Amino acid sequence: DADVTQTPRNRITKTGKRIMLECSQTKGHDRMYWYRQDPGLGLRLIYYSFDVKDINKGEISDGYSVSRQAQAKFSLSLESAIPNQTALYFCATSDFIQGQGSYNEQFFGPGTRLTVL
Amino acid sequence: AQSVTQPDIHITVSEGASLELRCNYSYGATPYLFWYVQSPGQGLQLLLKYFSGDTLVQGIKGFEAEFKRSQSSFNLRKPSVHWSDAAEYFCAVGRIQGAQKLVFGQGTRLTINP
Repeated sequence: DADVTQTPRNRITKTGKRIMLECSQTKGHDRMYWYRQDPGLGLRLIYYSFDVKDINKGEISDGYSVSRQAQAKFSLSLESAIPNQTALYFCATSDFIQGQGSYNEQFFGPGTRLTVL
Repeated sequence: AQSVTQPDIHITVSEGASLELRCNYSYGATPYLFWYVQSPGQGLQLLLKYFSGDTLVQGIKGFEAEFKRSQSSFNLRKPSVHWSDAAEYFCAVGRIQGAQKLVFGQGTRLTINP
């Protein structure tokens, strides 16, 4: 089974609808992230969470909200979807190990392709 | 602010040929550098990473990358590509202190000719 799973894998919705994308992980990591990928722009960070009580905005958080329901679950919501939120969305997780600086590898889920009509 | 530039949006090479994908970063201190690969329909997989020490790092699938501080570069190389290497490749830089966030380059799409 995959360590980082995302549901749904594909979603088509209409402008103005509320959408929730879910991410679950079995890696036991404290840190979780949401990115969106657009052609020619790479991946951009939407929100990140270092534990269940810690939520932080990334570089493009406008129009999005998140919920960290448990260590293993991190959901991304679009309260009122708009067409320019059509993108590929990735969830990622990472651990924190002292002795390697404050940086560790991020592990990515398979992505959710969202289309807003 | 830190940034990453991958100058080549799309590269085509023949199977068996050598490969070099360019990555330039902007960062005020020694960065943490990563190369990820995204195969069609898949998530991102880490190829290799540089934190410190030897500036030539080896990764999975026969890839290597060299950190050159003087050129602010972290180019990815492979001596002989295989058709299965066709994918999109992303370079990323991370901060040492504070928030553990990655900044990604725009990506380079690699096509392999038979």
